[in-house]
Amino acid sequence: AQSVSQHNHHVILSEAASLELGCNYSYGGTVNLFWYVQYPGQHLQLLLKYFSGDPLVKGIKGFEAEFIKSKFSFNLRKPSVQWSDTAEYFCAVTLNSNSGYALNFGKGTSLLVTP
Amino acid sequence: EPEVTQTPSHQVTQMGQEVILRCVPISNHLYFYWYRQILGQKVEFLVSFYNNEISEKSEIFDDQFSVERPDGSNFTLKIRSTKLEDSAMYFCASSGQGIYGYTFGSGTRLTVV
Repeated sequence: AQSVSQHNHHVILSEAASLELGCNYSYGGTVNLFWYVQYPGQHLQLLLKYFSGDPLVKGIKGFEAEFIKSKFSFNLRKPSVQWSDTAEYFCAVTLNSNSGYALNFGKGTSLLVTP
Repeated sequence: EPEVTQTPSHQVTQMGQEVILRCVPISNHLYFYWYRQILGQKVEFLVSFYNNEISEKSEIFDDQFSVERPDGSNFTLKIRSTKLEDSAMYFCASSGQGIYGYTFGSGTRLTVV
């Protein structure tokens, strides 16, 4: 079955630490990849996306992600986190051939950044 | 920046009642979606809608659910007879050409009592 896996469910970091959140998917075809952030009590906000081209994608708020096709991965990174990055992070995938463009989300990673 | 607007932000309903959740997608978008997020769980796809018909739906989207685009601007999700387990945050989304411009609304928190 098609799936999206986020291996880190809860991450606690100190401010200025570097962040890497893992995302793996199991689809065999061409995929479109997204990272969303959900701040407490708020809606989903797009951090970045990859459709094609340069596999290193830069998003908002200093986040970036790298698509590694051979590893079916799309890990999210940030060199130096801030307290305001405390949020839930979701990886999502949709198949390029998907007629309905449904996003399949991972279970999310809860990030807590401490002062 | 264009937004997807959802109303109401919170809705409380009694078990067995019908509920309609409303969404106004971005005006020039062609694809429309509903997702739900049960508290503490992941976001789950319910249904996608294109060219005035359902293009894809998940196993969750059973006969209790229906969607409609009644007037060319609104996009609604109806739950015919609500159950306790329908309590969740429901997100509407829309996109332009396929996946481009995929934007989520702020959600409607549905509580079934």
